Amino acid sequence: DAMVIQNPRYQVTQFGKPVTLSCSQTLNHNVMYWYQQKSSQAPKLLFHYYDKDFNNEADTPDNFQSRRPNTSFCFLDIRSPGLGDAAMYLCATSSGIAGGPETQYFGPGTRLLVL
Amino acid sequence: AQSVAQPEDQVNVAEGNPLTVKCTYSVSGNPYLFWYVQYPNRGLQFLLKYITGDNLVKGSYGFEAEFNKSQTSFHLKKPSALVSDSALYFCAVRAPNAGNNRKLIWGLGTSLAVNP
Repeated sequence: DAMVIQNPRYQVTQFGKPVTLSCSQTLNHNVMYWYQQKSSQAPKLLFHYYDKDFNNEADTPDNFQSRRPNTSFCFLDIRSPGLGDAAMYLCATSSGIAGGPETQYFGPGTRLLVL
Repeated sequence: AQSVAQPEDQVNVAEGNPLTVKCTYSVSGNPYLFWYVQYPNRGLQFLLKYITGDNLVKGSYGFEAEFNKSQTSFHLKKPSALVSDSALYFCAVRAPNAGNNRKLIWGLGTSLAVNP
């Protein structure tokens, strides 16, 4: 089945220690998104890639970076995690038809704990 | 400013009864409307969307939603609730003709509890 995969499902890191979360997809979608979600709140878009074009949200802290080496994979790098970065991180994909009703398909998420 | 409202933080229904989760929006034009469901410690699952046409949209797991343009609403419904429907439900909107702006505007979510 085509899907969005996130690894690991749970990640524990130390305050200030860089951490990388990964996402892969078998949907062959052009667009990949990273969201942050805290305690059952609405997901907050951090950034997205359309193919190799990176689109950052204006309020995303510089501490958050992303890489997309190919169509299938996308990484979220948190350079110096703070306690406030503990959250569920969701990866999503969409087909990439500009202006259309693109449905976003989500992975299961990675829950990040910062000690 | 564009916004989505889910006026109820929590909805409680008895198993077998009909359920409604409300969503209203404030977006210019004719937006695309989505419902997602989230089970504990899981990602969001797509339920259904409205693009155009028939105001009643049918989706996954027996859910449907009714688009009402005059009331700018897109309420999620199910004729007979199951205990397994207990989850967090999010309404989201994407403005039409948004070009490369793919950002969804999200409601704050409604927690649905179905009691046996």
